[in-house]
Amino acid sequence: KQEVTQIPAALSVPEGENLVLNCSFTDSAIYNLQWFRQDPGKGLTSLLLIQSSQREQTSGRLNASLDKSSGRSTLYIAASQPGDSATYLCAVEMGGYQKVTFGIGTKLQVIP
Amino acid sequence: ETGVTQTPRHLVMGMTNKKSLKCEQHLGHNAMYWYKQSAKKPLELMFVYNFKEQTENNSVPSRFSPECPNSSHLFLHLHTLQPEDSALYLCASSPSSGADTQYFGPGTRLTVL
Repeated sequence: KQEVTQIPAALSVPEGENLVLNCSFTDSAIYNLQWFRQDPGKGLTSLLLIQSSQREQTSGRLNASLDKSSGRSTLYIAASQPGDSATYLCAVEMGGYQKVTFGIGTKLQVIP
Repeated sequence: ETGVTQTPRHLVMGMTNKKSLKCEQHLGHNAMYWYKQSAKKPLELMFVYNFKEQTENNSVPSRFSPECPNSSHLFLHLHTLQPEDSALYLCASSPSSGADTQYFGPGTRLTVL
């Protein structure tokens, strides 16, 4: 059974800092990995999706990397802003059958 | 806005009530999903529908009954729920294949008394 772990559970940083969020998964036979953002009381917004054959994806100040063999992914946020405050969720999909397993998330607070 | 809407946004019900959650997507997608998000737990996949056919039932108790009348609408019928079923219920959609991003609705916050 796939298990997804996210470390740290919570993170507080001053505005402007670069930061890294970590995600690890137990079964490396994944189809893809996705990072989401969730604001309090709201649904999820997809940030980046990395296919199993890819090593990284970039969107603006966000960069996600994937090391499938070691079961790890990182989400790098450059020059953090207060608007980045949210919970960041990592999710892996197995076998292309839309069976997605989520981590519990990292709650990020960026202090002005 | 993601193009996925959910109603109601908040619902309080007793254990003997019957209620339904509704999800609608305006994206032309062919796959729709129900997820449960409980406090301090990972998001749990409940059901997956592809082209109106259920392709995944993740060992969900029968007191949750999904319905997908067409590719744009998804319902979750609730009856005789338990207090531990209180959670945020999220609907999502995707074009259909496993390589696609899922687009999430805002969720329904359900409280079972």
